[in-house]
Amino acid sequence: ILNVEQSPQSLHVQEGDSTNFTCSFPSSNFYALHWYRWETAKSPEALFVMTLNGDEKKKGRISATLNTKEGYSYLYIKGSQPEDSATYLCAFTPRAGNNRKLIWGLGTSLAVNP
Amino acid sequence: DAGITQSPRYKITETGRQVTLMCHQTWSHSYMFWYRQDLGHGLRLIYYSAAADITDKGEVPDGYVVSRSKTENFPLTLESATRSQTSVYFCASRTSGGRNTGELFFGEGSRLTVL
Repeated sequence: ILNVEQSPQSLHVQEGDSTNFTCSFPSSNFYALHWYRWETAKSPEALFVMTLNGDEKKKGRISATLNTKEGYSYLYIKGSQPEDSATYLCAFTPRAGNNRKLIWGLGTSLAVNP
Repeated sequence: DAGITQSPRYKITETGRQVTLMCHQTWSHSYMFWYRQDLGHGLRLIYYSAAADITDKGEVPDGYVVSRSKTENFPLTLESATRSQTSVYFCASRTSGGRNTGELFFGEGSRLTVL
């Protein structure tokens, strides 16, 4: 069974704090790892897609790393701002089987207090 | 306007009724997807389409029907709605090519309540 786990489930930080959260996936069957940002009352928006072990991607204050050998990805937010409050989803594309399907985690809900 | 739009955004219906959720995209993306989002579950794929007239089942297809006669439209029909189909439904699209490394573009969601 392919499973994607995200931790923590939710997180409250103060404005200016840096934070990070984790996405775990099956390392033996990896093809790609996606991060999405989902603000309340909006639709998910893509942040990063990563395919190579050791990949690091950055978009403004948000960055992500990928370790395919151990099956995890970290998402970092530097100097959190209230507008960063959202649910951060990761999704995994397996190598085997139908690679059109993404397997989604439940997300980490981030609240940044001003 | 360019983008991906869903309608209706909110719908209340009764058990046994047929309901169709519409999805329209203006990018001519090859792939389109229908997901449902429920508490305690990640996004779950209902159906997807790789191109016009090509559709395939996702994880939870039972009780749903799709069609894709035109590239830009991908309607989802609940033939006889059940309470378990109360959910938020998201349509998404992406370009072709690659092995699912393209980003998905999501609609704003359709909240369906089945009484």
